[in-house]
Amino acid sequence: GNSVTQMEGPVTLSEEAFLTINCTYTATGYPSLFWYVQYPGEGLQLLLKATKADDKGSNKGFEATYRKETTSFHLEKGSVQVSDSAVYFCASTDSWGKLQFGAGTQVVVTP
Amino acid sequence: EAGVVQSPRYKIIEKKQPVAFWCNPISGHNTLYWYLQNLGQGPELLIRYENEEAVDDSQLPKDRFSAERLKGVDSTLKIQPAELGDSAVYLCASSLGGDRINNEQFFGPGTRLTVL
Repeated sequence: GNSVTQMEGPVTLSEEAFLTINCTYTATGYPSLFWYVQYPGEGLQLLLKATKADDKGSNKGFEATYRKETTSFHLEKGSVQVSDSAVYFCASTDSWGKLQFGAGTQVVVTP
Repeated sequence: EAGVVQSPRYKIIEKKQPVAFWCNPISGHNTLYWYLQNLGQGPELLIRYENEEAVDDSQLPKDRFSAERLKGVDSTLKIQPAELGDSAVYLCASSLGGDRINNEQFFGPGTRLTVL
């Protein structure tokens, strides 16, 4: 079945720093790929998604590109804010739409 | 638009006691999911409903866990009896259904269960 591996946290950054969270996947077929974010005390929210190779998902200054050749979907943001402090989950879907999540990466942005 | 509602938000029980979690999905969403999220891990699917029908319950430990979705709207997840290892966050999510691959799932805030 599908699996997702993402870099371990916590990742601690200063405000306005560049953020990258690595994510790689294994899958049969052609999964869709997602990044979800979980702010403290809240449920998971979809941050962005990409449904086919070379697609770029973007939202709130975050971007991720579906790289089939490297089976990756790394999340990037050019200038983080304190409000970006959260746990970020990479996920893929199988042909039945079943979401497979990575373990999550905690991001802490300090002023 | 109201999001996915779950209750209670927190529950503390002693082992061997029963516990139940309730979920109200977004109006019009036919598909409902229950996930288990252990500390420091990503959510893992327990069961998925399409309307009233449980279409994927392969990860649900059926000896102590049960779920229902009467009338295809609200859902209840039950554990009886609870064990120490059941301490986790139980998440409910819903989606419109239809396109399985691109079907965005909307998550509730979860119920944090502590078993003593």
